[in-house]
Amino acid sequence: EDQVTQSPEALRLQEGESSSLNCSYTVSGLRGLFWYRQDPGKGPEFLFTLYSAGEEKEKERLKATLTKKESFLHITAPKPEDSATYLCAVPSYNTDKLIFGTGTRLQVFP
Amino acid sequence: ETGVTQTPRHLVMGMTNKKSLKCEQHLGHNAMYWYKQSAKKPLELMFVYNFKEQTENNSVPSRFSPECPNSSHLFLHLHTLQPEDSALYLCASSQDSGGSSYEQYFGPGTRLTVT
Repeated sequence: EDQVTQSPEALRLQEGESSSLNCSYTVSGLRGLFWYRQDPGKGPEFLFTLYSAGEEKEKERLKATLTKKESFLHITAPKPEDSATYLCAVPSYNTDKLIFGTGTRLQVFP
Repeated sequence: ETGVTQTPRHLVMGMTNKKSLKCEQHLGHNAMYWYKQSAKKPLELMFVYNFKEQTENNSVPSRFSPECPNSSHLFLHLHTLQPEDSALYLCASSQDSGGSSYEQYFGPGTRLTVT
C-alpha cells in the first residue's frame, strides 16, 4: 500500500539552529515527491518537486533532497518566519492522486 | 484577485442546516479539488473535477455534494452534516488532473464547525 510518513511530528528550534525534517515513502513507482508549507489558518503552499534519487532543490534557507526511500527538508539557520507545518506528498501509483503525510510542525524561537 | 479563493473562511452550522462552500481559481487551471483536513490526519482527497467533469469521488458520504459549473468555480453543498465533519475544507487547482500535473495550488480553506 502506498504510504507517506513524516517525522518528527513536531520540532522546536532556536533561531539559527539548523535541522532536518524527514519524509519516508512507500510507493510502487515514484512519480515525484512534493513539499508544501502550511501556515496556521491557511492552505498549503507549494515549495518543491523532486523526481529522482540524488536530486536537490533549494529555496532560501530550505534545501530538499531525495533518496530511493525518503526525502529530507534541511533548514539552515532558521528564522521565526520559517515556523509552519511542512507537508510532503507523493502520487499514488494505483490512483494517480497525491498521498499526503501528516506533516511536521516546526516552531522557531528567537 | 489572484490564486485560489474560498468563501466563507469560517462556517458554523447545525446538523439540520444546508450550506455551501465556494471556491474560485484565477490561475487558468483545468482541474479543481476538494480536500478535508482534520487535526493529526493527512489531507483527505474528496472530489476531483477535470474540465468540469467529476473524475474522482473518494467514497465521500452523500451529505457532501460537489458542483463545478465551469473550470474556475467549484462548490461543495452541505446538508445534514455530523459533528465529525468538522474540519478545514481546502480547495485546490492544478493545470490538469493528469499524471504530469501534481503541482496543486490551494486556497486558504473554510473552517467548518458542525454543532
